[in-house]
Amino acid sequence: DGGITQSPKYLFRKEGQNVTLSCEQNLNHDAMYWYRQDPGQGLRLIYYSQIVNDFQKGDIAEGYSVSREKKESFPLTVTSAQKNPTAFYLCASSIGLGPSETQYFGPGTRLLVL
Amino acid sequence: KQEVTQIPAALSVPEGENLVLNCSFTDSAIYNLQWFRQDPGKGLTSLLLIQSSQREQTSGRLNASLDKSSGRSTLYIAASQPGDSATYLCAVSPFSYNTDKLIFGTGTRLQVFP
Repeated sequence: DGGITQSPKYLFRKEGQNVTLSCEQNLNHDAMYWYRQDPGQGLRLIYYSQIVNDFQKGDIAEGYSVSREKKESFPLTVTSAQKNPTAFYLCASSIGLGPSETQYFGPGTRLLVL
Repeated sequence: KQEVTQIPAALSVPEGENLVLNCSFTDSAIYNLQWFRQDPGKGLTSLLLIQSSQREQTSGRLNASLDKSSGRSTLYIAASQPGDSATYLCAVSPFSYNTDKLIFGTGTRLQVFP
């Protein structure tokens, strides 16, 4: 089955700790995205990548970092600089960049702070 | 700055009712508008994508309309079923951003009871 997987489903972060969220897709999509979802708010774009070894900041990139070493993988690191990391994180991919490209979403990772 | 608003925030209806969900956006310069469904604790599933040149799109019991000049879209659900219970999100792809970005509304949480 083709799709997007995210792991873990739940992640706990201690004060001052960096944590990494995994996102893998086997859809052969070039573009990948990371969103953050908070209660009562819409999704907000953190980072996106249109091709391997290239990525761009979204609207709320501060305190986050990404890499895109493989087409299939786009991990997100939540650094200690992110002071309010508790949220639901969603990864998405699309065939390419462009306004007509539907984005396909993974099941999400819920990050909680201990 | 493009803002997307969804009203109502929550809706509870008996099974079998026809219902309308509303989405409004402040800047009519968009490439397209999409409607997504999100089940609790899950990722998003794309339901319908309307290009800016189109007026409506249909998929099964769902019909989405777009009035770009007035900055409005509606999602019509016919003969609602308990399985339709979910949060429905709309998102626009604005000219003012890179073409890869989506601006999401805050969603309408729908509950259909038997």
